[in-house]
Amino acid sequence: NAGVMQNPRHLVRRRGQEARLRCSPMKGHSHVYWYRQLPEEGLKFMVYLQKENIIDESGMPKERFSAEFPKEGPSILRIQQVVRGDSAAYFCASSPGQGQRAGNTFGSGTRLTVV
Amino acid sequence: DQQVKQNSPSLSVQEGRISILNCDYTNSMFDYFLWYKKYPAEGPTFLISISSIKDKNEDGRFTVFLNKSAKHLSLHIVPSQPGDSAVYFCAASGRGYSGGGADGLTFGKGTHLIIQP
Repeated sequence: NAGVMQNPRHLVRRRGQEARLRCSPMKGHSHVYWYRQLPEEGLKFMVYLQKENIIDESGMPKERFSAEFPKEGPSILRIQQVVRGDSAAYFCASSPGQGQRAGNTFGSGTRLTVV
Repeated sequence: DQQVKQNSPSLSVQEGRISILNCDYTNSMFDYFLWYKKYPAEGPTFLISISSIKDKNEDGRFTVFLNKSAKHLSLHIVPSQPGDSAVYFCAASGRGYSGGGADGLTFGKGTHLIIQP
C-alpha cells in the first residue's frame, strides 16, 4: 500500500517558467492538502481539495498559483511565471475524509529551485 | 503573526536522557494538537496528538502534555535514542478556524533535536 507519492522530487525552473508539481494520494484517499515550506520556516497551509473540488484555498497566493484534483489522476499544484521567492519545498498530505486530525502522512515533497 | 511558536530552534540531549520539546500557541480556537518528526529530504511523519479535552497522551517513549490555560504543550521523549535526531514540528487544528485552512494544520517553525552519544 503505497504512501503519498510526489513527483518530481527536485525541480529546477528559470524565472518566468511554469512549475507543475504532482501528488498522488494514498489508495482510497480522496482529500489532498498542499503545504509550502520556505527555508528555516514551518510548513504553511496552501490549499485543501477533494476530487474535482477546491474546498479551501485560503493559503494560496492570489496570483500565479492554482491547484486541481481531477476525477482521475494526481493532484496538480501549478505555479505560473515562477520567481525566486517560489523556491521552497512543497509537501502534500492525503486523508480518507475531511480534516487532518488523524495525523495523515505527508509525501516526501518536491523541492523547487528557481534560478 | 505566528499562531504556533516553537521558540527553541535546536536542542541537544544526551542519549538515554529525556528530551523535552516545547510549543506555545496563541489562538484559543485551536482544539487539537499534533507533533510531527521530519528527517532531511523527507516529508513530516506523524508522531502523536492530543485533543484539548485531555492534558496528557502517551504512546511508548513519547508523551505529549497540554496546558490549556497557558496555551502550552510539550513533547517528552524518554529515553532519547540516536534515531530521534530530527526536526520536530508542533501543529494545531481548530474547527472553524480558517486562518490556516479550516481543515488544515498550522505549524510551528520546528525544533532540531540532536541526540548525542
